[in-house]
Amino acid sequence: GAGVSQSPSNKVTEKGKDVELRCDPISGHTALYWYRQSLGQGLEFLIYFQGNSAPDKSGLPSDRFSAERTGGSVSTLTIQRTQQEDSAVYLCASSSSRPGVGETQYFGPGTRLLVL
Amino acid sequence: LAKTTQPISMDSYEGQEVNITCSHNNIATNDYITWYQQFPSQGPRFIIQGYKTKVTNEVASLFIPADRKSSTLCLPRVSLSDTAVYYCLVGFNTGGFKTIFGAGTRLFVKA
Repeated sequence: GAGVSQSPSNKVTEKGKDVELRCDPISGHTALYWYRQSLGQGLEFLIYFQGNSAPDKSGLPSDRFSAERTGGSVSTLTIQRTQQEDSAVYLCASSSSRPGVGETQYFGPGTRLLVL
Repeated sequence: LAKTTQPISMDSYEGQEVNITCSHNNIATNDYITWYQQFPSQGPRFIIQGYKTKVTNEVASLFIPADRKSSTLCLPRVSLSDTAVYYCLVGFNTGGFKTIFGAGTRLFVKA
């Protein structure tokens, strides 16, 4: 079946511009995560959605970052007034159940963001 | 929040068995142990998950001692295509909710 998809695959923008990154999770998956990965580094948790519950935004690095999940499916990560340090790969993952015993996350290919 | 410690990097040769050990001294009673594999320019991919003793699938084995303060991922007879970063995660919520991916272990398989 179809996996997690993300768009665009690559995005080059100028400092100060806003960008929107899209994630389409696996159909039926109730949990959705956004991570950021800088070159050669591990994954940095950004935000988590579970069903219709309020998202956990504790990982967002600043108020320039926000995310929405419409209809419990597609999610959009928005970065306002981008800075060069925002350059990274942004990864989305989804899972089929409320996080807990035996949960497995399925990752998308990521969006590579370059802020000039 | 359970923290994990892994070697930064490992080298191996094709055909050898590779064991990557992860320390998680503060693991909680309900926590599961999960390993992911990440190739360059791709998102992480689930490899194996366990709670105690030994788990085996078509890709790897996971050995967990009785005290559960560590775990060892075993990759039998590695090939060049096993060159990747391997992440160990511990948690009841094994997802991003209050979970931290570390830097992982960079495995380099040589011919």
